[in-house]
Amino acid sequence: QVQLQQSGPGLVKPSQTLSLTCAISGDSVSSNSAAWNWIRQSPSRGLEWLGRTYYRSKWYNEYAVSMKSRITISPDTSKNQFSLQLNAVTPEDTAVYYCARSVPRYLDYWGQGTLVTVSS
Amino acid sequence: EIVLTQSPGTLSLSPGERATLSCRASQSVTSSYLAWYQQKPGQAPRLLIYGTSNRATGIPDRFSGSGSGTDFTLTISRLEPEDFAVYFCQQYGTSPWTFGQGTKVETK
Repeated sequence: QVQLQQSGPGLVKPSQTLSLTCAISGDSVSSNSAAWNWIRQSPSRGLEWLGRTYYRSKWYNEYAVSMKSRITISPDTSKNQFSLQLNAVTPEDTAVYYCARSVPRYLDYWGQGTLVTVSS
Repeated sequence: EIVLTQSPGTLSLSPGERATLSCRASQSVTSSYLAWYQQKPGQAPRLLIYGTSNRATGIPDRFSGSGSGTDFTLTISRLEPEDFAVYFCQQYGTSPWTFGQGTKVETK
């Protein structure tokens, strides 16, 4: 059974960096068949896919165009986890953030969600 | 990007009734890469259907999906009390993957 456990701060100041981590159990971040995604949900924007990282003989990243200049998703093979960094946040980035596995593309396992509020 | 429009916004039904939810795409969804998720308050979405019509592991057969191209449907044949929730469609055929805005199935 795959489980995804999210961690990270729930409050970030404007212009700073949002950082979240998703620890994986029951699968490997280096899996050749899975990808590891971040999605967020807010009342104003609904569900929004942010990007993913995956391994197919080498590491790949794919990001939503709207996020490309501010986002980094990174694997950590030593801890079997992956992380999200979103730079230069504004109140518009306030949302519940989810990590999720996709195999190969539909999202079959989700983390518990982290409410991140951007406020001074 | 592909815009998914779900209808109706809210469906008011009684347990035992049939629910029909619609998801319309702004352009054809590649290879019928369309999924449906159920979300209850305070919880993450749960995968119900992938590839338009394939039930995910553990999903009861009262849930079924159909459609192709730009028009897709989720049907719940007989609503159980635990089925009252919000349902989202998602396309994963063309990047960026996109979601519909959701249909709330509420108790009449």
